Amino acid sequence: GNSVTQMEGPVTLSEEAFLTINCTYTATGYPSLFWYVQYPGEGLQLLLKATKADDKGSNKGFEATYRKETTSFHLEKGSVQVSDSAVYFCALCSFKTSYDKVIFGPGTSLSVIP
Amino acid sequence: GAGVSQSPRYKVAKRGQDVALRCDPISGHVSLFWYQQALGQGPEFLTYFQNEAQLDKSGLPSDRFFAERPEGSVSTLKIQRTQQEDSAVYLCASSLVQGLYNSPLHFGNGTRLTVT
Repeated sequence: GNSVTQMEGPVTLSEEAFLTINCTYTATGYPSLFWYVQYPGEGLQLLLKATKADDKGSNKGFEATYRKETTSFHLEKGSVQVSDSAVYFCALCSFKTSYDKVIFGPGTSLSVIP
Repeated sequence: GAGVSQSPRYKVAKRGQDVALRCDPISGHVSLFWYQQALGQGPEFLTYFQNEAQLDKSGLPSDRFFAERPEGSVSTLKIQRTQQEDSAVYLCASSLVQGLYNSPLHFGNGTRLTVT
């Protein structure tokens, strides 16, 4: 079945450091890929998405490129801020017979220290 | 507010009690999902509604779990005879239309259920 694997956390970085959170997936067909973020005390929210191979999703300085050959969708940011501290979830969406079903990875907790 | 609202925010139940968790999706949203999130894990799919129709309940872990959305808006997730393994955060998400490419999921803050 479809699944998503993420690098284990927690990840602790100093402000302005470079961030990479690895994500790989297993899926049949051509899923859409997402990164969701959960800030402390808040609900999950969509950070970025990509729907086909070589697409790059970007938002708030974060980027991820859909790599079909390596089945990966790694999240990167060049310079993290304290406000980026959150849990990040990689997810894929496969179309069922009548709707889109989103499958989430286990999440990676990021703490950014001043 | 315009977001997805879930209540209660926290629920403590004794083992064997029944609980009901409520989700108010964004007005007009067709699709509604329930997810279960154990501590330190990602959300796990429970069930999906398109308007009032429950199209997929394959993720419900046992027949003690039941969900409904009778008028195509508010949804209730009911758990009968709660067990300790039911302790988790229950998330509700809605989207405007079927087709998540142009209509992302909007999540509520969840209900944290603790079964003692």
